[in-house]
Amino acid sequence: AQSVTQLDSHVSVSEGTPVLLRCNYSSSYSPSLFWYVQHPNKGLQLLLKYTSAATLVKGINGFEAEFKKSETSFHLTKPSAHMSDAAEYFCVVIHTGGFKTIFGAGTRLFVKA
Amino acid sequence: DSGVTQTPKHLITATGQRVTLRCSPRSGDLSVYWYQQSLDQGLQFLIQYYNGEERAKGNILERFSAQQFPDLHSELNLSSLELGDSALYFCASSSGTGNTGELFFGEGSRLTVL
Repeated sequence: AQSVTQLDSHVSVSEGTPVLLRCNYSSSYSPSLFWYVQHPNKGLQLLLKYTSAATLVKGINGFEAEFKKSETSFHLTKPSAHMSDAAEYFCVVIHTGGFKTIFGAGTRLFVKA
Repeated sequence: DSGVTQTPKHLITATGQRVTLRCSPRSGDLSVYWYQQSLDQGLQFLIQYYNGEERAKGNILERFSAQQFPDLHSELNLSSLELGDSALYFCASSSGTGNTGELFFGEGSRLTVL
């Protein structure tokens, strides 16, 4: 069975400081992992994806995530937060070739000036 | 702009009523997915269609139904509405049959049931 756990419901950082949003997954098979971002009153947008190629994945807007199989983690990071990064972030797991996409509960990122 | 269009953006109705939400997928995408997002339940997968046929079913209530038409647009019908159905309903589309996880989301239809 697949599942995904986002370890923090809220994260608050100051502008210019690093961002870390944590995600652990559970999958019986080789998973595909994604991060999506949802800005207020908007739909979700794909930020980055891991599909068994390089373990360090770069996404849009300076975000990246590292797939660590031994830790079953796929944490999202950014070296320096910007005010425009304030949004909700969703970690997603899918069994490759499967039909079910499992969304995490989301982490709301606040960025303070 | 994701290329996925949802109408209406906002809808206010009363308990017991029926509403229809509409989704036009990205040009060329054959798969359409419906999701419900609420504060207490988070993002819940409802149903997926591929080229007019139901492909996968999630936590969709029996009062809800969906279909995908030959022109690939999809409609989600919600009937006998209850207060708890108030939520943001998203449509997403993708190009393939199998789920690659790369979904393109519309901006959602916000349903308020009074």
